[in-house]
Amino acid sequence: AQSVTQLDSQVPVFEEAPVELRCNYSSSVSVYLFWYVQYPNQGLQLLLKYLSGSTLVKGINGFEAEFNKSQTSFHLRKPSVHISDTAEYFCAVSEMGSQGNLIFGKGTKLSVKP
Amino acid sequence: EAGVAQSPRYKIIEKRQSVAFWCNPISGHATLYWYQQILGQGPKLLIQFQNNGVVDDSQLPKDRFSAERLKGVDSTLKIQPAKLEDSAVYLCASSLNAVPGSGYTFGSGTRLTVV
Repeated sequence: AQSVTQLDSQVPVFEEAPVELRCNYSSSVSVYLFWYVQYPNQGLQLLLKYLSGSTLVKGINGFEAEFNKSQTSFHLRKPSVHISDTAEYFCAVSEMGSQGNLIFGKGTKLSVKP
Repeated sequence: EAGVAQSPRYKIIEKRQSVAFWCNPISGHATLYWYQQILGQGPKLLIQFQNNGVVDDSQLPKDRFSAERLKGVDSTLKIQPAKLEDSAVYLCASSLNAVPGSGYTFGSGTRLTVV
């Protein structure tokens, strides 16, 4: 069965520092990969997704992620974070051939300090 | 384009009471999902509709949860009777179709507290 592991439940970082949020997945078939962001008391917003092609994917708000098939990873990075990036980030997968439902990780809370 | 609308935003009920949540997806989106997000966890799929038919309800606790999408547009999720462990945020999402990789749009969710 497919699963998603987000290795860090909380990541504190200072403003303007780089950040990496880690995500590993497990699946017996090929997958599509997603990162979502959730601000307090709001729904989930799509940051970026990998469907095919280049393994480096750029998303909104300066975020990017790299798909590594051999390591079954899809880590999210930003070179310089802002206070406004404080939120919870969710990695998710959808299996090819499925009905499109997403399997989510448990989330990583990013706290950006001044 | 208007987003996915959900109501109410917040609901507090006592255990054993019933509650209903409403979702209106983006116009033209055939696929509608209900997810349950318990505090500290990622969202978990409860049920997926394609138009007015159920595609996947394998994780829906059918002894107490029910959902419908009668006209293939808006949807209602009901819990009867509620338990303490049902306290969570209930998220509705929609997409154009049920193809993997399709973009989802999520609503803001309904936060349910069962006391």
